[in-house]
Amino acid sequence: DAGVIQSPRHEVTEMGQEVTLRCKPISGHDYLFWYRQTMMRGLELLIYFNNNVPIDDSGMPEDRFSAKMPNASFSTLKIQPSEPRDSAVYFCASSFTGGADPLHFGNGTRLTVT
Amino acid sequence: SQQGEEDPQALSIQEGENATMNCSYKTSINNLQWYRQNSGRGLVHLILIRSNEREKHSGRLRVTLDTSKKSSSLLITASRAADTASYFCALPGTASKLTFGTGTRLQVTL
Repeated sequence: DAGVIQSPRHEVTEMGQEVTLRCKPISGHDYLFWYRQTMMRGLELLIYFNNNVPIDDSGMPEDRFSAKMPNASFSTLKIQPSEPRDSAVYFCASSFTGGADPLHFGNGTRLTVT
Repeated sequence: SQQGEEDPQALSIQEGENATMNCSYKTSINNLQWYRQNSGRGLVHLILIRSNEREKHSGRLRVTLDTSKKSSSLLITASRAADTASYFCALPGTASKLTFGTGTRLQVTL
């Protein structure tokens, strides 16, 4: 199993540009999570999906952030327009059944907005 | 959702020594998980302990849970340089949400 795959690994963009982060979860996992990690705030849950349906997006910081999961094997997190304070490492994780099931993380996308 | 508070924030030990890190929380939980994060990588699940368990082992890892004190500890015995990483406790919230603590940075030197 290839694990959770995220792309790109690094993204550098200028303020105001649109950024799209991509995630392929582990096949058969019904839950997909997007987290953001910064030194100041640690790991924050942004949104999670169950069977491709967004369940809780209360962690999405602003309307500039949106996430989609068009099918069981692909999800995107989009920031439009990006701002310097969005600079962080964004992680995607998936789990089989949710609840107490362990999360499997991708290696993240390091986003730098200048 | 509550966030676990980890202690210490950073820990430096020599190879072969034991490392202990703690996680405290405020409200009752059904289970608690521990994760490891190597530099530049995603988190990796280590162990889950349920509220009716007091201790759990996995290789050189030993996790305890004291529900009366609302705290958990992770012990790594006979540490190795490869154990250098950040360690996080994770607490369940509503539905399937998982909230991570602030982490303990462990440095194991040769």
